[in-house]
Amino acid sequence: DTAVSQTPKYLVTQMGNDKSIKCEQNLGHDTMYWYKQDSKKFLKIMFSYNNKELIINETVPNRFSPKSPDKAHLNLHINSLELGDSAVYFCASSQGRKAFFGQGTRLTVV
Amino acid sequence: GQQLNQSPQSMFIQEGEDVSMNCTSSSIFNTWLWYKQDPGEGPVLLIALYKAGELTSNGRLTAQFGITRKDSFLNISASIPSDVGIYFCAGQAGGGADGLTFGKGTHLIIQP
Repeated sequence: DTAVSQTPKYLVTQMGNDKSIKCEQNLGHDTMYWYKQDSKKFLKIMFSYNNKELIINETVPNRFSPKSPDKAHLNLHINSLELGDSAVYFCASSQGRKAFFGQGTRLTVV
Repeated sequence: GQQLNQSPQSMFIQEGEDVSMNCTSSSIFNTWLWYKQDPGEGPVLLIALYKAGELTSNGRLTAQFGITRKDSFLNISASIPSDVGIYFCAGQAGGGADGLTFGKGTHLIIQP
């Protein structure tokens, strides 16, 4: 049973398009996150949601918007995709101070 | 913002050798976590540390939360081929909702 699952695993799209990445966790955790991993493997937090409330919004362009329909889901919507958005995006969830990650979505903007 | 310095950046070792890597921070953390990432996969939690001075083991892995709360190390004893991957330290300053600050990773390569 996958604890944190993301879809799709790979996403190739053209500049200017709008796309979404879905994330679901079956761990019953209260907090979910989105992280971005760049080409040098550096991981940086983008957002976190706690009980449907946005807790952190780092210096992320407003083209990125997290949407949480319920505690088990946190989707990432990206508008007007740019070449620099190409990266691996990870969803994670936590209860307390341990965070568990999904397998990632490799986004390639061409 | 907070920064984590993780070293070494990469390690080339022989199978059976012990490995040591560490992270230092410019600020205090109340949690240190160590993750391993295999190619095409997400980070997998190895060890979580919650108190200054805490020493925790997970099989051949041992990690410690530094006394100053600004550093942590991870040791791997008797390395085996499946230990290959990228190891990340991550720190958290507040509660769970604050998210993690990651180090830049240590690439471990094992020569048989």
